[in-house]
Amino acid sequence: DTAVSQTPKYLVTQMGNDKSIKCEQNLGHDTMYWYKQDSKKFLKIMFSYNNKELIINETVPNRFSPKSPDKAHLNLHINSLELGDSAVYFCASSKQGGLTSGGTDTQYFGPGTRLTVL
Amino acid sequence: DQQVKQNSPSLSVQEGRISILNCDYTNSMFDYFLWYKKYPAEGPTFLISISSIKDKNEDGRFTVFLNKSAKHLSLHIVPSQPGDSAVYFCAANYGGSQGNLIFGKGTKLSVKP
Repeated sequence: DTAVSQTPKYLVTQMGNDKSIKCEQNLGHDTMYWYKQDSKKFLKIMFSYNNKELIINETVPNRFSPKSPDKAHLNLHINSLELGDSAVYFCASSKQGGLTSGGTDTQYFGPGTRLTVL
Repeated sequence: DQQVKQNSPSLSVQEGRISILNCDYTNSMFDYFLWYKKYPAEGPTFLISISSIKDKNEDGRFTVFLNKSAKHLSLHIVPSQPGDSAVYFCAANYGGSQGNLIFGKGTKLSVKP
């Protein structure tokens, strides 16, 4: 059983297109995340949702819009794709989301979606 | 501005020997540190963590050491096995950051048989 799954695994598209990446977790976690790993290999958080509510929104262009239809899903929509959006996008989930002080829940990552914008 | 730094992009170790992966951080507010392991074409998987109130945490072959005064932590793998070959990411967090993990760039470990 895959704990955190993402589709598609690979996505190749043209500049200007709109695309979506889907994420599902079957761990019963309350918090889900989207991370971007760029060409320099930095893994940076983009968004975090707790119980379908946005709790982290790092400096990300508003062309990126996360949507959480329920606690188990967090999809990422990207409008007007640009060359610089090419990266690997990872979804993750955790039980609580580090909302308690002094520690953090373990985050479980999906396999990643490699997005290539031509 | 990199708050979590892994200055060695790669490390090669002989099977059975010790692997030591290093990580430095700049934000004194960090109070929780984690190591993740990543195989190619897979997502990072949690390995081990340490709270800032401790200086050592051990789990089987993996031990993490924290030196708060030096803002430095290290991951020791003893003995190293070929299956340990992967990219290791150091990450940090602080209470109230709502799960916002700050990652280093990773160190690629190669364990040679």
